[in-house]
Amino acid sequence: AQKITQTQPGMFVQEKEAVTLDCTYDTSDQSYGLFWYKQPSSGEMIFLIYQGSYDEQNATEGRYSLNFQKARKSANLVISASQLGDSAMYFCAAVMFSGGYNKLIFGAGTRLAVHP
Amino acid sequence: DGGITQSPKYLFRKEGQNVTLSCEQNLNHDAMYWYRQDPGQGLRLIYYSQIVNDFQKGDIAEGYSVSREKKESFPLTVTSAQKNPTAFYLCASSLRREYGYGYTFGSGTRLTVV
Repeated sequence: AQKITQTQPGMFVQEKEAVTLDCTYDTSDQSYGLFWYKQPSSGEMIFLIYQGSYDEQNATEGRYSLNFQKARKSANLVISASQLGDSAMYFCAAVMFSGGYNKLIFGAGTRLAVHP
Repeated sequence: DGGITQSPKYLFRKEGQNVTLSCEQNLNHDAMYWYRQDPGQGLRLIYYSQIVNDFQKGDIAEGYSVSREKKESFPLTVTSAQKNPTAFYLCASSLRREYGYGYTFGSGTRLTVV
């Protein structure tokens, strides 16, 4: 079964420090995409970063980078220089092609708290 | 500006009532999705549709129904068969075979049973 696992229910980080949020995925598909989303208390889903399964380089978007280890099926998010505004829920997600349809599935999320 | 509009933002349902959540997009996206989110948890897929007049059950479709009569609209009905409907509901859309940046989310509907 296709599944996304985020093992850290909550994380704390000091402002200006870097933090890594873990994500592993389970799929037999050869072609898939990996995403990270941020969800503040307002509930909106904010796209952060994307990694394709055939991309050889790790994706980066500003302070966000995705540590993609294909053989281990892991796609950890690294946030550098944390800011107070980074406090939110973070979700790892994957799009997998299943039976002729593509669908986006999510992990359970990690709540990040940034302390001053 | 293009985007997804979900309405209403808050919805209260009495026991035994059916309610319909609206989701409209003007992005010309082929695919649309409904997710349910319970407090402190991730998003679970209810239904998805890749083209008009076609939709597929997700992981938790029981007690829900959808229609896709127009490309831009994908309403979700929460029926009385859904025993625990209180949750946050998110609608999303994407280009049909877009693996990249193409997923867009609405701002959500918070449904409460009273």
